Amino acid sequence: DIQMTQSPSTLSASVGDRVTITCRASQSVGSWLAWYQQKPGKAPKLLIYEVSRLEVGVPSRFSGSGSGTEFTLTISSLQPDDFATYYCQQYYSYWMFGQGTKVEIK
Amino acid sequence: QITLKESGPTLVKPTQTLTLTCTFSGFSLSTTSVAVSWIRQPPGEALEWLALIFWDDDKRYSPSLKSRLTITKDTSRNQVVLTMTNMDPVDTGTYYCAHMNTQEIQTLHYWGQGTLVTVSS
Repeated sequence: DIQMTQSPSTLSASVGDRVTITCRASQSVGSWLAWYQQKPGKAPKLLIYEVSRLEVGVPSRFSGSGSGTEFTLTISSLQPDDFATYYCQQYYSYWMFGQGTKVEIK
Repeated sequence: QITLKESGPTLVKPTQTLTLTCTFSGFSLSTTSVAVSWIRQPPGEALEWLALIFWDDDKRYSPSLKSRLTITKDTSRNQVVLTMTNMDPVDTGTYYCAHMNTQEIQTLHYWGQGTLVTVSS
């Protein structure tokens, strides 16, 4: 199985900060990497797929990059609505998630 | 507009079999390239993918849970059913179903609201 490891597990930041979350795969997943945002009590929401393609309606402050085994999600200027937990997911082999990164208010 | 909704028991006893139903609208599981998946999330923990069924009845299961899972579809009723045998308290969590279209975004795109299942005697 391909294991997905996110870092950090928790991130404290302020509105306006630039935030970067890293996701590493135990083996190459090519470009089959997605990012989801989840708020408490809600279903995950797809933000980015194929490493860097923004889902319709997702603000342009979100961006994704990487390839193979190392990927990043960047929020260029953190907004109040962005405080949530973020999951990376590979879909090269099955559909496996990272353990999540909680972005909390500093 | 694509919507999905999970339904099933909120409480099951250890060793029992869980049966969950995903009822959807806005797409058909008889359409080429469409799939429906199940994912779960224990309280306060990460998402875990469970199973997926394609339009052609091809199925995929989580390797770690394969022996306990069965996914089926009823195209005429727009439903996908997941059964999980031998339930244990560690299986407590919110269970989601999600839609995928392999000709568009090849991962889990639209999600249901989830249903909380508690395993306890």
